[in-house]
Amino acid sequence: DIQMTQSPSTLSASVGDGVAVTCRASQSISIFLNWYQQKPGEAPKLLIHGATTLQTGVPSRFSASGSGTDFTLTISSLQVEDIATYYCQQTYSTPRTFGPGTRVEIK
Amino acid sequence: QVQLQQWGAGLLKPSETLSLTCAVNAESSSKYYWTWIRQPPGKGLEWVGEIMYDGTTNYNPSLKGRGTISVDTSKNQFSLRLTSVTAADTAIYYCANGVVLWDWGQGTLVTVSS
Repeated sequence: DIQMTQSPSTLSASVGDGVAVTCRASQSISIFLNWYQQKPGEAPKLLIHGATTLQTGVPSRFSASGSGTDFTLTISSLQVEDIATYYCQQTYSTPRTFGPGTRVEIK
Repeated sequence: QVQLQQWGAGLLKPSETLSLTCAVNAESSSKYYWTWIRQPPGKGLEWVGEIMYDGTTNYNPSLKGRGTISVDTSKNQFSLRLTSVTAADTAIYYCANGVVLWDWGQGTLVTVSS
């Protein structure tokens, strides 16, 4: 199985700050990497697919980069509505594993 | 956008069988992969398994062979059965469409308790 790790596990920042979440795969997954946002009490929502492609309707302050084993999700200017847990997931092979999640909080 | 509505029993006893169904509002389910994911209370997401429109399935080995995913294209529905449940299977179960999980159901909390 491909193991996914994320850092940090919790991120605390002020409104307007730029923040970054990193995701690492235990082996190369090319660009088969997706990011999901889960707000408390809600189902997750797709943010980014194919490592860098913003899903329709997602604000442009979200962006992502990476390929191979190292990936980054960036929020250019943190907003209150971005408070959530962010998960990466590889779809290179089965089982299609998720990272453990990064909780983003407002300082 | 595809909408998914899921249902199933929320309280099970150990050794019973979990059964969940997800209905899809797409015109036809024949074009898609369909996926189940679960999330233990307060924890992260775990991929459970997937099924293609032609019936091809993949499962997480962590299920140890207890899971079955099926699809009924005539009803635009797909289902998850998990046998011999234990407390470790307590989770919110989500259905979703695609390998990339484009759209998600609302989630069903399944609690396994004696």
